[in-house]
Amino acid sequence: DAKTTQPPSMDCAEGRAANLPCNHSTISGNEYVYWYRQIHSQGPQYIIHGLKNNETNEMASLIITEDRKSSTLILPHATLRDTAVYYCIVRAGQGGKLIFGQGTELSVKP
Amino acid sequence: GAVVSQHPSRVICKSGTSVKIECRSLDFQATTMFWYRQFPKQSLMLMATSNEGSKATYEQGVEKDKFLINHASLTLSTLTVTSAHPEDSSFYICSAVGAGPKPQHFGDGTRLSIL
Repeated sequence: DAKTTQPPSMDCAEGRAANLPCNHSTISGNEYVYWYRQIHSQGPQYIIHGLKNNETNEMASLIITEDRKSSTLILPHATLRDTAVYYCIVRAGQGGKLIFGQGTELSVKP
Repeated sequence: GAVVSQHPSRVICKSGTSVKIECRSLDFQATTMFWYRQFPKQSLMLMATSNEGSKATYEQGVEKDKFLINHASLTLSTLTVTSAHPEDSSFYICSAVGAGPKPQHFGDGTRLSIL
């Protein structure tokens, strides 16, 4: 599986959009981009995933560059409850294992 | 959405005890389940992958005789930490995925403390 690079930490003001970048320059054609987050002392929570098109759900939007070498997770209106470690992971689509990196620790501040 | 239940959420036991952790997919059939371990301030580390009805595949460095995994049905996998010692104290998390290109869903983890 391809590796990803994320900034170790970010701050965001409550109510503003949080834009979390991820670099995955060695991604293969059949690998999806997955985003999870982990709130302290809980299991990771699935957020969103995509292959090449931008995706949006009730939690977030995922923007994937045309060359697929990077992506951005957007939380449109961050709340204090969005404070967590966010993991960007690339994985082949059918049942492959998820390998977690260090993620980005997002702190949403009032 | 997909729900994965993990039990117990916390266990404290004496050194030398064996501890069993259960992972259940509540509303879908999990063809594959995964077990992770997480130490404080570190990321999740994959321990093993289990497919229903077959032997688990362990990651390099994970002792298969120490961490016994059973995936007897499409909704249940168990991890048994045998003869646990203080260095086995950690946060153990399972995840499950059904057939097809679907995301994994995680349990809430089990905090294991060995005295």
